[in-house]
Amino acid sequence: DTAVSQTPKYLVTQMGNDKSIKCEQNLGHDTMYWYKQDSKKFLKIMFSYNNKELIINETVPNRFSPKSPDKAHLNLHINSLELGDSAVYFCASSQGDGSPLHFGNGTRLTVT
Amino acid sequence: GNSVTQMEGPVTLSEEAFLTINCTYTATGYPSLFWYVQYPGEGLQLLLKATKADDKGSNKGFEATYRKETTSFHLEKGSVQVSDSAVYFCALRAYGQNFVFGPGTRLSVLP
Repeated sequence: DTAVSQTPKYLVTQMGNDKSIKCEQNLGHDTMYWYKQDSKKFLKIMFSYNNKELIINETVPNRFSPKSPDKAHLNLHINSLELGDSAVYFCASSQGDGSPLHFGNGTRLTVT
Repeated sequence: GNSVTQMEGPVTLSEEAFLTINCTYTATGYPSLFWYVQYPGEGLQLLLKATKADDKGSNKGFEATYRKETTSFHLEKGSVQVSDSAVYFCALRAYGQNFVFGPGTRLSVLP
């Protein structure tokens, strides 16, 4: 009965590799997000999708490509991983203005 | 643009002490305000929210009141427990705009 689930929980990989993180929500929300949390816990929005359409794309390298096959899923693919990509990535969803965000438990990405 | 400022941590308290974490914001219009809590190794969870001026959000003994005159949404708890140790985030969302989060305040409660 998990509301927002993302996999994997941990991801350790080498520089230059390509990896994906998957996210699914069963709340029926129209909008999904990807956030990056750095080592100081600062949260930065990366992307936002509403009904499978991209509505926010912050200043993120184009090595990061979100894909939304349907409004319940928002996956994140990262090409040519770099050391600076190491962080915790959170998927989230919400429904309408004034509604809170619901977060997944995060994927800790470590690039070596 | 919209912004959220929180008191810098870490905040260290003894069990049963009174907690206040200050949060002030800058926004156009009338945003909704939120407090989120992040326990170690977990995602952010909604703790409480308020959608208009003078609203008080409350949950699990935590409270915060939406003060438009001082643009503040301070988090308070009368008696903290060790299990309250976490990082607390203040956030806002203005109509038609994206969420804005504060930098987070780490709370450690000692037995």
